[in-house]
Amino acid sequence: EVQLLESGGGLVQPGGSLRLSCAASGFTLTSYSMSWVRQAPGKGLEWVSGFSGSGETPYYADSVKGRFTISRDNSKNTLDLQMNSLRAEDTALYYCAKSFSGSYNWFDSWGQGTLVTVSS
Amino acid sequence: EIVLTQSPATLSLSPGERATLSCRASQSVSTYLAWYQQKPGQAPRLLIYDASNRATGIPARFSGSGSGTDFTLTISSLEPEDFAVYYCQQRRKWPLTFGGGTKVEIK
Repeated sequence: EVQLLESGGGLVQPGGSLRLSCAASGFTLTSYSMSWVRQAPGKGLEWVSGFSGSGETPYYADSVKGRFTISRDNSKNTLDLQMNSLRAEDTALYYCAKSFSGSYNWFDSWGQGTLVTVSS
Repeated sequence: EIVLTQSPATLSLSPGERATLSCRASQSVSTYLAWYQQKPGQAPRLLIYDASNRATGIPARFSGSGSGTDFTLTISSLEPEDFAVYYCQQRRKWPLTFGGGTKVEIK
């Protein structure tokens, strides 16, 4: 059974950093496209960052480029998101999402999310 | 980036009625478009991919159509569990993008 478990969220001051992690089980992470998607309170979905299939190239939304870094730990089967220079507008529930097939960027498995709050 | 515009923002309908949701792309995405359903407190669920293919376990009352820049999600006869927010998403180009969502509410 596929499971995605996010962790690492919390309260952080503007300008601070957090590292999110998504522990994957039931599949090999590098065999699928994986992304982080966020949802600000009461708002819609926003794609943040991801890898396409087994590719090494990370992709980012313009809103986080230069501040966030996505990475995969193949030995632990985890997907991480290092978030630096955090802003109030980064406050959101962050989901880890897995594609349903290879490099297809359609997401059929999602975690429960981890909440990031950026506030002083 | 490719901007996806969904309309209407809110759709007020009764159970049994037909729902028609629209998603328009700022440039052609071919058929690289998906639809998701999200209920309060839950993660999104993939309904339709590649514009018209139902994901595993999705009832036949959900159907998708369109190509290029104009897409439609149709729910042929609304069930009580279908009242939710629906999002479209494109994978034609990076960055991936979502539409702003359409809320289908009970009239």
